[in-house]
Amino acid sequence: GAVVSQHPSWVICKSGTSVKIECRSLDFQATTMFWYRQFPKQSLMLMATSNEGSKATYEQGVEKDKFLINHASLTLSTLTVTSAHPEDSSFYICSARVTGVRNTEAFFGQGTRLTVV
Amino acid sequence: GENVEQHPSTLSVQEGDSAVIKCTYSDSASNYFPWYKQELGKRPQLIIDIRSNVGEKKDQRIAVTLNKTAKHFSLHITETQPEDSAVYFCAATPRMNTGFQKLVFGTGTRLLVSP
Repeated sequence: GAVVSQHPSWVICKSGTSVKIECRSLDFQATTMFWYRQFPKQSLMLMATSNEGSKATYEQGVEKDKFLINHASLTLSTLTVTSAHPEDSSFYICSARVTGVRNTEAFFGQGTRLTVV
Repeated sequence: GENVEQHPSTLSVQEGDSAVIKCTYSDSASNYFPWYKQELGKRPQLIIDIRSNVGEKKDQRIAVTLNKTAKHFSLHITETQPEDSAVYFCAATPRMNTGFQKLVFGTGTRLLVSP
């Protein structure tokens, strides 16, 4: 299947700093990518839909200024957690589907475990 | 928006037994229903999916059934093995005018298969 690569796999940062997470589709183009957040032993909660060349679409309750999303190319989306606080500590995971093909598998990155101290 | 409920939250079975996980969805326009398996600290992996024009699909020990009228779908694992132990998530893709096709996940089922 297609490969989605996420970087870094884990990161520890100080409270108040910003952290950028990258999501790349390695062997296919993805006009749209999705960012999820997963707390321990909980489900994947969709945060936002990242759209190449346009603004991201955020789910209700997700702060746009807190979680900045940029989708600069057909293979790269980035999530920046700004002014991180301990409550932002979580597992962040992205996914992508092959552009133009409906109702098919979503491929996931390996996730990024963020710890804010 | 779409809401997906999943039951049970935990399921313990003996090796060789069958396991059934059930999900319901709220948006009758949803048309794609995948099931993902997630091992601890790893990415979700698709194990089977079904589209709204099909009532049942099987792949070796795994099968999924869909009842569009009742808006529920189920995952069936037969002859369970210890390596089936993981968290399983159902999901639904609501039909959207934007075409972005996001996935809405259920709450997950932790399956434990004891030898």
